[in-house]
Amino acid sequence: EIVLTQSPATLSLSPGEGATLSCRASQSVSKYLNWYQQKPGQAPSLLIYDASKRATGIPARFSGSGSGTDFTLTISSLEPEDFAVYYCQQRSNWLTFGGGTKVEIK
Amino acid sequence: QVQLQQWGAGLVKPSETLSLTCAVYGGSLSGYYWSWIRQPPGKGLEWIGEINHSGSTNYNPSLKTRVTFSVDTSNNQFSLKLTSVTAADTAVYYCARILTSLVDRWGQGTLVTVSS
Repeated sequence: EIVLTQSPATLSLSPGEGATLSCRASQSVSKYLNWYQQKPGQAPSLLIYDASKRATGIPARFSGSGSGTDFTLTISSLEPEDFAVYYCQQRSNWLTFGGGTKVEIK
Repeated sequence: QVQLQQWGAGLVKPSETLSLTCAVYGGSLSGYYWSWIRQPPGKGLEWIGEINHSGSTNYNPSLKTRVTFSVDTSNNQFSLKLTSVTAADTAVYYCARILTSLVDRWGQGTLVTVSS
């Protein structure tokens, strides 16, 4: 099983600041790493797929990078609606998710 | 626009069976895998498994002995049964559509509480 480790667990930032979230895989997943955003009481929604491709309708302030075992989700300038929990996800033999990073208002 | 709508019992007694069903509207079951994913309160996401339109399944090894998926193509639905539940199975359960290696559609989620 490939384990995904996200860091930090919590990121306390102010609107307008940039955010950098990390996801590390226990073995290579090539470029097949996806990111989701989850707001309270809602299902997750796809942000980034294949490490760096924005899903339909996702603003350009969200970007993804990385390959192999190390991946990053960057939010260039936080909007009020971006404060949420972010999960990375991969599929090798089966789907696994990281533990999540909560981006909270400072 | 494909939508997933799920339903099932929100309260299940310990040792009994959890049952949920998900209906797919606006699209066919064919060509995709259909999944169940759960999230314990305040915790992260756990993939339970998936099934395709012909009934081929993949299960999370940690749950495999207790999980059964089924598909009803005539009604465009798929279902989850989880046996011998305990408090550790308390979670929000989501049905979802798998597009190759990602989840591109989610149901609204059902909170299932295991308690006597």
